[in-house]
Amino acid sequence: AQSVTQLGSHVSVSEGALVLLRCNYSSSVPPYLFWYVQYPNQGLQLLLKYTTGATLVKGINGFEAEFKKSETSFHLTKPSAHMSDAAEYFCAVSDSVSAGKSTFGDGTTLTVKP
Amino acid sequence: EAGVAQSPRYKIIEKRQSVAFWCNPISGHATLYWYQQILGQGPKLLIQFQNNGVVDDSQLPKDRFSAERLKGVDSTLKIQPAKLEDSAVYLCASSRTGRTEAFFGQGTRLTVV
Repeated sequence: AQSVTQLGSHVSVSEGALVLLRCNYSSSVPPYLFWYVQYPNQGLQLLLKYTTGATLVKGINGFEAEFKKSETSFHLTKPSAHMSDAAEYFCAVSDSVSAGKSTFGDGTTLTVKP
Repeated sequence: EAGVAQSPRYKIIEKRQSVAFWCNPISGHATLYWYQQILGQGPKLLIQFQNNGVVDDSQLPKDRFSAERLKGVDSTLKIQPAKLEDSAVYLCASSRTGRTEAFFGQGTRLTVV
């Protein structure tokens, strides 16, 4: 069985500050890991994914995440927050057997203050 | 390319009524998913189709929920009868066979009163 824990249901940062959204996962097989963003009344949009290879992955809108197997973590970062980054962010895990079928965390709402 | 289309966007029904949601996946995507997203939670998989066959429906409440994907393209998800706790956003997603990520529609927000 797989699970995802997102630490902090709400994160608030000032515009221009570092964004750090935390995600820890549990998986009995090598995981595929994803970060999605959801704007109000919208579906989920993929920010980035880790499958194999380089553990630091870069995504859209300046976001990146690092897969740390020893820590079972896949934290999402962005060096400088923009007002348009305000949204809800979901971390998800799947495995190679059922790629595309993901288990999601409960989400972190990011607020960006001017 | 066109994204995943869902309709309706919003639906309000009374408990014990029935409701149906429709999804049209991205062209060429053989895999289709229905997720339920309750307010304050992440999406939870209800059912996965590969073409028109069910791959996984282990989390589908089969006493009231049903889904079909005729001809391996469009899909409908039905709830009959609805309960208050079914209030949620129902997301449809699709992916190419063997690919690692799914593409999501905008969802249908269901309110049961």
